[in-house]
Amino acid sequence: GQQVMQIPQYQHVQEGEDFTTYCNSSTTLSNIQWYKQRPGGHPVFLIQLVKSGEVKKQKRLTFQFGEAKKNSSLHITATQTTDVGTYFCAERLNGGYQKVTFGIGTKLQVIP
Amino acid sequence: DGGITQSPKYLFRKEGQNVTLSCEQNLNHDAMYWYRQDPGQGLRLIYYSQIVNDFQKGDIAEGYSVSREKKESFPLTVTSAQKNPTAFYLCASSIGPRTVPAGELFFGEGSRLTVL
Repeated sequence: GQQVMQIPQYQHVQEGEDFTTYCNSSTTLSNIQWYKQRPGGHPVFLIQLVKSGEVKKQKRLTFQFGEAKKNSSLHITATQTTDVGTYFCAERLNGGYQKVTFGIGTKLQVIP
Repeated sequence: DGGITQSPKYLFRKEGQNVTLSCEQNLNHDAMYWYRQDPGQGLRLIYYSQIVNDFQKGDIAEGYSVSREKKESFPLTVTSAQKNPTAFYLCASSIGPRTVPAGELFFGEGSRLTVL
């Protein structure tokens, strides 16, 4: 079935450094959703990208969808300790049976 | 408050026993999902349902069963046939299935199952 590959699996950064996680697929994605899961918590929706080449920003977070709709990235500028958690990308198919497939996640540690 | 309620939060069971995890939502969502989370393996889809009385197997359905008799409820039974049931189980819901683009998932707080 459809697989969404996510890298890196773990990332440690010094507070104030930037962070990027990447999501890749061998086939064209319907859309990409990004979620954040704090330690001990549950995933919380961040954003959805639908269009080829789309770029969206939320404060220090920048989300991109590739031109071919086969990859996506989440970039955090000047990380803070509140950014700690695991970031997941997910593909949700449109119409019909809307299966939602998650990447393995990138666990971010921010060192103060 | 609108949301998704999972119970119990923690559950211990002996090998060979079936256990049912509850998931209730009052968001009036059509779609509901069950995921399993293990360290280093992300979220893996067990079952999902788009409408009442209909559900589909996900990627790791073996050893699990579900029912969708009511729109608000999507219980998951972990049967004795599940070889490694100790895990964190997450239920989610969303609008759909006819919404384009697809909506976001809202997750419950999860149920942690430990098999002794």
